Amino acid sequence: SAVISQKPSRDICQRGTSLTIQCQVDSQVTMMFWYRQQPGQSLTLIATANQGSEATYESGFVIDKFPISRPNLTFSTLTVSNMSPEDSSIYLCSVETPSGQEDTQYFGPGTRLTVL
Amino acid sequence: QLLEQSPQFLSIQEGENLTVYCNSSSVFSSLQWYRQEPGEGPVLLIALYKAGELTSNGRLTAQFGITRKDSFLNISASIPSDVGIYFCAGSTIEAGKLIFGQGTTLQVKP
Repeated sequence: SAVISQKPSRDICQRGTSLTIQCQVDSQVTMMFWYRQQPGQSLTLIATANQGSEATYESGFVIDKFPISRPNLTFSTLTVSNMSPEDSSIYLCSVETPSGQEDTQYFGPGTRLTVL
Repeated sequence: QLLEQSPQFLSIQEGENLTVYCNSSSVFSSLQWYRQEPGEGPVLLIALYKAGELTSNGRLTAQFGITRKDSFLNISASIPSDVGIYFCAGSTIEAGKLIFGQGTTLQVKP
């Protein structure tokens, strides 16, 4: 498995502003993922972030709203841009570890975002 | 591709056994079970990769269906710290991503 940390753990933001969430892993990983979990709901994949290439976004998510950076094999950021109250969610990063089986993902603790 | 979990909510007495089910019309290459506690990210409990595979992790047992379209998670002798939301999540070759079920909320009464 991998140890994953996220910053910030929670934040309260005003509408129209942007927040950048950081995800740090204790080992080098190829695949990193960003998920959104709306209140009382399950997890929905936002995008896959591979080092050295553009992030791949899922249907319903666009780069202008959720820009992602992946500067190296242990770090990624997700920005939630021009926020509205509908963006209030938990944002989670996850990784597939090189030593693990394919498709097995390990999650960070999440960032709880509230937009007023 | 949709993963249907049942039940959506479960309230049991400490010491009881429980089973959560996960079903789909799609074929999955792998199936995982996660538990999420309030304020935390999902924690991997069991991962299944072979059709019919039966795997245990302490008091937890899970099996991947022969058709790779379904799975169950059984928890024996429940304890209060088992509370949380249990998710099944599967990956298909076509989708290339992990799809989560809607979750099962477990309450354990002392």
